[in-house]
Amino acid sequence: DIQMTQSPSTLSASIGDRVTITCRASQSLSSWLAWYQQKPGKAPKLLIYKTTILDSGVPSRFSGSGSGTEFTLTISSLQPDDFATYYCQQSNRPYTFGQGTKLEIK
Amino acid sequence: EVQLVESGGGLVQPGGSLRLSCVGSGFIFNNYWMSWVRQTPGKGLEWVANIKQDGSEIYYVDSVKGRFTISRDNGKKSLYLQMNSLRAEDTAVYYCARFDKTGDGYNGPAGRWFHPWGQGTLVTVSS
Repeated sequence: DIQMTQSPSTLSASIGDRVTITCRASQSLSSWLAWYQQKPGKAPKLLIYKTTILDSGVPSRFSGSGSGTEFTLTISSLQPDDFATYYCQQSNRPYTFGQGTKLEIK
Repeated sequence: EVQLVESGGGLVQPGGSLRLSCVGSGFIFNNYWMSWVRQTPGKGLEWVANIKQDGSEIYYVDSVKGRFTISRDNGKKSLYLQMNSLRAEDTAVYYCARFDKTGDGYNGPAGRWFHPWGQGTLVTVSS
């Protein structure tokens, strides 16, 4: 199975900051990556699919990039609604997720 | 609005059984693969099972093979997860999710993602 490792596990940042979350795969991926946002007590919500495509309604301050074993999620200017936990997910069965990155207010 | 609503969770003893249900609305249910994904504080998010539109292809994560059965009733726009021989490590919030896919990995990259998700139903396996 492909292991997905996110870093950092916790990230403290302020409103307006630019932040980047990294997701590393245990082997090179020839497939696309997805990113999800989860708030406490809620289900995960798709943010990005096919590594770079924003789901409908997702603000343009979010962006995704990467290939091979390293992928990133970037938020260009943090807004109050962005403080949540973020997960990456790879597209080879069994579909595995990163352990999550909790984005906290500094 | 696309919506998925799970039900059927609860407390069950080790070795017991439980059947989860998920009803879809706001989309053509029989046009999509469907999935179950679970979440625990310790192991995080874990894909559990997938089923093709007509039920002709089904896949499971190794840890539930032989114990869990995914099924669907397109006429009722419903997805099910029959869970038998439950273990403490099956304790989790179980989410129903629509499974979107593109590409096959041979003629271009494969893309697989879960969207949207239901609100989740808690399954607790404990004596």
